[in-house]
Amino acid sequence: EDQVTQSPEALRLQEGESSSLNCSYTVSGLRGLFWYRQDPGKGPEFLFTLYSAGEEKEKERLKATLTKKESFLHITAPKPEDSATYLCAVQAEAGGFKTIFGAGTRLFVKA
Amino acid sequence: KAGVTQTPRYLIKTRGQQVTLSCSPISGHRSVSWYQQTPGQGLQFLFEYFSETQRNKGNFPGRFSGRQFSNSRSEMNVSTLELGDSALYLCASSLVGRTEAFFGQGTRLTVV
Repeated sequence: EDQVTQSPEALRLQEGESSSLNCSYTVSGLRGLFWYRQDPGKGPEFLFTLYSAGEEKEKERLKATLTKKESFLHITAPKPEDSATYLCAVQAEAGGFKTIFGAGTRLFVKA
Repeated sequence: KAGVTQTPRYLIKTRGQQVTLSCSPISGHRSVSWYQQTPGQGLQFLFEYFSETQRNKGNFPGRFSGRQFSNSRSEMNVSTLELGDSALYLCASSLVGRTEAFFGQGTRLTVV
């Protein structure tokens, strides 16, 4: 069964304190792995898509990487406005167009 | 460029009633997916439509149904509402041949 597990559940950082969020997945043929950011009461905001092991993508203070079993979202020198829930999701080649989401990591960045 | 639009934003319904939620995708996007989000279960896939056809369905009871119109707009319906149906219902659209999806703001449904 296709699964996505995110850790930690919650992460508290001081402003400027870099860290990483983990997304472990098991899927029968990966079509794509996605990272989203979600603010309270809003829909998820698309950040990145990764397709194959070794791929990396960057956007401002965020960098996403992918291996055959997991993905990391690295946050460099975070600011309070980076506080949000970060969601990881996968789409399997054999799963039609069904996307499976992890439970998310709640990030709190204190000034 | 307008994003995904969901209406209404908030709904309060009584147990046993039915509800219809609407989703207008980003212009040019022909794939529309629906998700249920609750604090306990997270984001769970309901179904996905493309060219008015349901291509995939999640593990939800038959009370949850949907459809897509020729202009790619989509609706989902929940019949015989239960308290456990209270959730944020999210719609996402994507381009043909692209895997990433873009979400609307969601409809917050409360069943009392």
